[in-house]
Amino acid sequence: DQQVKQNSPSLSVQEGRISILNCDYTNSMFDYFLWYKKYPAEGPTFLISISSIKDKNEDGRFTVFLNKSAKHLSLHIVPSQPGDSAVYFCAASDLGNQFYFGTGTSLTVIP
Amino acid sequence: DTAVSQTPKYLVTQMGNDKSIKCEQNLGHDTMYWYKQDSKKFLKIMFSYNNKELIINETVPNRFSPKSPDKAHLNLHINSLELGDSAVYFCASSPSGQGGKVNEKLFFGSGTQLSVL
Repeated sequence: DQQVKQNSPSLSVQEGRISILNCDYTNSMFDYFLWYKKYPAEGPTFLISISSIKDKNEDGRFTVFLNKSAKHLSLHIVPSQPGDSAVYFCAASDLGNQFYFGTGTSLTVIP
Repeated sequence: DTAVSQTPKYLVTQMGNDKSIKCEQNLGHDTMYWYKQDSKKFLKIMFSYNNKELIINETVPNRFSPKSPDKAHLNLHINSLELGDSAVYFCASSPSGQGGKVNEKLFFGSGTQLSVL
């Protein structure tokens, strides 16, 4: 049973516009959430994270929003750049050792 | 210097063979992992080792055997390879292995594309 879901397999956005990637989770014990970015033939690399005690975390062009009551988080990229084209994975963790990943959203930023 | 390195990058082999994938991290992390990314792009944990001790062993066929000679290395040996084993296998490490701890995150290798013919 998948505890972290990314229901949009792909997203296309014009350069300069905002990209919004969504993620839903089912386990209310998750207390730490991360976004990873993956280019072809490379491993995922950490992008940004958020603790469950916060509802927003910002790092440059990247902002993650957490809505605990809805068990939903989103990643906003603004402005989007062609180099942002990649697969983005949402991940969640509880107090244990496990990180649970979604299936990824492939973002294409059109120049 | 590559932080988490795994070899080989590509592995093509026949059904029934035995193969190994090696992983090394130079980050000084305590915990290492093996993840499998299947055809549906789902990244699923297989094993986790903390300081050479097995701490997570998901429902994985016992044809898969991880070996951790020291905390910087976690190798994956697969016996009697099957067609369904074809996937990308990622090695990863994290500082402490305490998933909910703030600032704990995974550092991934570049993956091993395994194709079983």
